[in-house]
Amino acid sequence: SQTIHQWPATLVQPVGSPLSLECTVEGTSNPNLYWYRQAAGRGLQLLFYSVGIGQISSEVPQNLSASRPQDRQFILSSKKLLLSDSGFYLCAWTLLYPRTVSYGYTFGSGTRLTVV
Amino acid sequence: AQKVTQAQTEISVVEKEDVTLDCVYETRDTTYYLFWYKQPPSGELVFLIRRNSFDEQNEISGRYSWNFQKSTSSFNFTITASQVVDSAVYFCALLSYNTDKLIFGTGTRLQVFP
Repeated sequence: SQTIHQWPATLVQPVGSPLSLECTVEGTSNPNLYWYRQAAGRGLQLLFYSVGIGQISSEVPQNLSASRPQDRQFILSSKKLLLSDSGFYLCAWTLLYPRTVSYGYTFGSGTRLTVV
Repeated sequence: AQKVTQAQTEISVVEKEDVTLDCVYETRDTTYYLFWYKQPPSGELVFLIRRNSFDEQNEISGRYSWNFQKSTSSFNFTITASQVVDSAVYFCALLSYNTDKLIFGTGTRLQVFP
């Protein structure tokens, strides 16, 4: 069965420090991968998505970047964190082909990032 | 452009009351999927239901029911006889078959008081 792992669960980082959040998917190949952010009391905003290794699309200009070094690994990074980067980050995956009756996203458990 | 609107920011009810969470969506695609997720205080997203654009049948699952109406672009969610454990933020979301991007509404915070 497919599983998605996201870590760490919580993170407190000072302003100006680097960031690396990792997400891995098991039990599937060639997934689409996504990073979402939820600011405090807000909805979920799509940050990045990837359709393959090395292929990253950014939805919102920001202080963050994403990389996909392996088929089932998706990394969210920042060189220098800002206070506004605080939030809840969720990784997700989906399979485009075939689109089965269960087509949809599977989400990780999230990382709560606090920038101080 | 695709958009999901959840006009109700916060709803408070007393236990055993029925409550309906509204969701209105916009899309030009003919093939799409609609979802409802529950987000408890721990933060993880709990999948509740998926509906594709060709299936307008309403669905009931225990105390939960969903009313999908393409004519009004709405996908409303009703909780019957609410319980304290239903307290959470509920998100409606739209997934386009063409873009494969899941777009969320801003969420409705439901508080059920004993």
